[in-house]
Amino acid sequence: NAGVTQTPKFQVLKTGQSMTLQCAQDMNHEYMSWYRQDPGMGLRLIHYSVGAGITDQGEVPNGYNVSRSTTEDFPLRLLSAAPSQTSVYFCASSSRGRGTGELFFGEGSRLTVL
Amino acid sequence: AQSVAQPEDQVNVAEGNPLTVKCTYSVSGNPYLFWYVQYPNRGLQFLLKYITGDNLVKGSYGFEAEFNKSQTSFHLKKPSALVSDSALYFCAVRDLPGDTGRRALTFGSGTRLQVQP
Repeated sequence: NAGVTQTPKFQVLKTGQSMTLQCAQDMNHEYMSWYRQDPGMGLRLIHYSVGAGITDQGEVPNGYNVSRSTTEDFPLRLLSAAPSQTSVYFCASSSRGRGTGELFFGEGSRLTVL
Repeated sequence: AQSVAQPEDQVNVAEGNPLTVKCTYSVSGNPYLFWYVQYPNRGLQFLLKYITGDNLVKGSYGFEAEFNKSQTSFHLKKPSALVSDSALYFCAVRDLPGDTGRRALTFGSGTRLQVQP
């Protein structure tokens, strides 16, 4: 049972480069989200989706794009990376039907922007 | 807007002793409260939650948490700490009850628990 799978686990970018962080879940969860984790700041919501074709902004959306073409996948795109985007990124999913907000997290993607 | 405070960056406790990790929250309505644990280089794992009902909630790995509405607190506790409990612990509060769309959690800044042998 894979759960939430994120790739890559590590990535180094130069300022201005673009890349996509991949997230896939096999639990048929309607809700998916991206968080970034920075020291002393906990986790902050970047973007989220309540179903295929539906996305919305979270707390810190600037510099990031998302799309949700299938229930399983929720990629996060950095169009022009900046050093401020150096962070650990977590994808998380939840079943809409449960209504309790329990999130299932991936193992994280550590991004360094030089 | 809701918020969560974890006043201690680190908690140190000897193995076998009871532990408490503190959390206070602020929401406009009734809170949905959660505790998650993060081991090194891993994602967050769900420990327990409070939605309604009994103020003492039991969760995974022997952890429990006490909801106190008057003090707006949701402290995590364990009667006897293990070295393997050493990790980063996050308290979180969910968006307004009934908002089944957004379902975003607001996280505290985290508390590092160090259990010494």
